[in-house]
Amino acid sequence: QSVLTQPPSASGTPGQRVTISCSGSSSNIGSNYVYWYQQLPGTAPKLLIYRNNQRPSGVPDRFSGSKSGTSASLAISGLRSEDEADYYCAAWDDSLSGFVVFGGGTKLTVL
Amino acid sequence: QVQLVQSGAEVKKPGASVKVSCKASGYTFTGYYMHWVRQAPGQGLEWMGWINPNSGGTNYAQKFQGRVTMTRDTSISTAYMELSRLRSDDTAVYYCARDPDSSGWTWGWFDPWGQGTLVTVSS
Repeated sequence: QSVLTQPPSASGTPGQRVTISCSGSSSNIGSNYVYWYQQLPGTAPKLLIYRNNQRPSGVPDRFSGSKSGTSASLAISGLRSEDEADYYCAAWDDSLSGFVVFGGGTKLTVL
Repeated sequence: QVQLVQSGAEVKKPGASVKVSCKASGYTFTGYYMHWVRQAPGQGLEWMGWINPNSGGTNYAQKFQGRVTMTRDTSISTAYMELSRLRSDDTAVYYCARDPDSSGWTWGWFDPWGQGTLVTVSS
């Protein structure tokens, strides 16, 4: 059972816009930044969005992040076949001595 | 460029220990926290803890306390994660990942990640 809640799957057709939600609590998303990672099949995760809505250099602007209260979302516009991957949200949690929490991951299928 | 290269796959018996290495290059090793994250087959990501390569200070996830030890050797820019008393459910790919924040603290974000090390626990 992951601390952050994501839908297990999402899908869209090429060119469409899809969003993936991530729900947490006041001790994690509610008080800290949200990060998103993309994991292509058989590879290590890659940073996609940092500090809620910032894109690392090299990440297309088709990817965008937002946060409101204790929830966050990742939007992918102009969907492409190469976007088919697992997507994970993550945040710092202030409980105990502090730790990182992940969502369970969302498998995105491009139909 | 910043790169993390991990040691190769391991096969261990239940009850044994495993030590995974993560060699950093392309940046000042002692300037950035290093985290360890694992992923069981077909499952999601699970955070294990971090090490401050400068001080050697560590913080482990509650689940792994007493079984995990994170260390570093600054002379060769390498971090290590040792997991003891292995069980079959420890079978996973283990990743090291650098926190790119240079503020002197870690907020638990990761860029880049190592390529992963598969640890298989089987009798």
